[in-house]
Amino acid sequence: DAKTTQPNSMESNEEEPVHLPCNHSTISGTDYIHWYRQLPSQGPEYVIHGLTSNVNNRMASLAIAEDRKSSTLILHRATLRDAAVYYCILTAGNTPLVFGKGTRLSVIA
Amino acid sequence: DADVTQTPRNRITKTGKRIMLECSQTKGHDRMYWYRQDPGLGLRLIYYSFDVKDINKGEISDGYSVSRQAQAKFSLSLESAIPNQTALYFCATSAWTSSYNEQFFGPGTRLTVL
Repeated sequence: DAKTTQPNSMESNEEEPVHLPCNHSTISGTDYIHWYRQLPSQGPEYVIHGLTSNVNNRMASLAIAEDRKSSTLILHRATLRDAAVYYCILTAGNTPLVFGKGTRLSVIA
Repeated sequence: DADVTQTPRNRITKTGKRIMLECSQTKGHDRMYWYRQDPGLGLRLIYYSFDVKDINKGEISDGYSVSRQAQAKFSLSLESAIPNQTALYFCATSAWTSSYNEQFFGPGTRLTVL
């Protein structure tokens, strides 16, 4: 599986935008970029995914570099409820997710 | 009602005991997964099943077995529990798609082996 690199932790102020980076320099042409998050005491939940183009949904935006070797998850206005561990995961097609350690996001009121 | 349920939610057992963790889903998905999570770490895949007759080993299957009793049910067994199997266990489901993989996770089972 292609590997991803994320910072161990990040901090943000409430109601400010948050940019969570992910490096995936060995990504292959068929790999999709997924983001999941895990709120405290819960199972992970899907946030967003993309292949080549930037993506937006109700939860977040995903910005993918032109060479696809990195991506950024953007939370437009962080809330206290967004405090979680965020995982950047590459999958080829419908293969099972392989989780790394993710980035722990703290949101300060 | 939750789409993916796990029973029990918490279990304390002793070394050498046989333990079964159960997962049920009402999402109609054909694919089901078992993961474990240790403190401060991400989830690791134990077993997965793409349909009732399909079972596949994941990254850390040693010491575990599974049974897919029906499309909606996927059980994880520890034949002889040991302390380093103390962890948080998650079940997940997904539907087949040609591209991305959106997995839906249950609430987890916290297992302690003494």
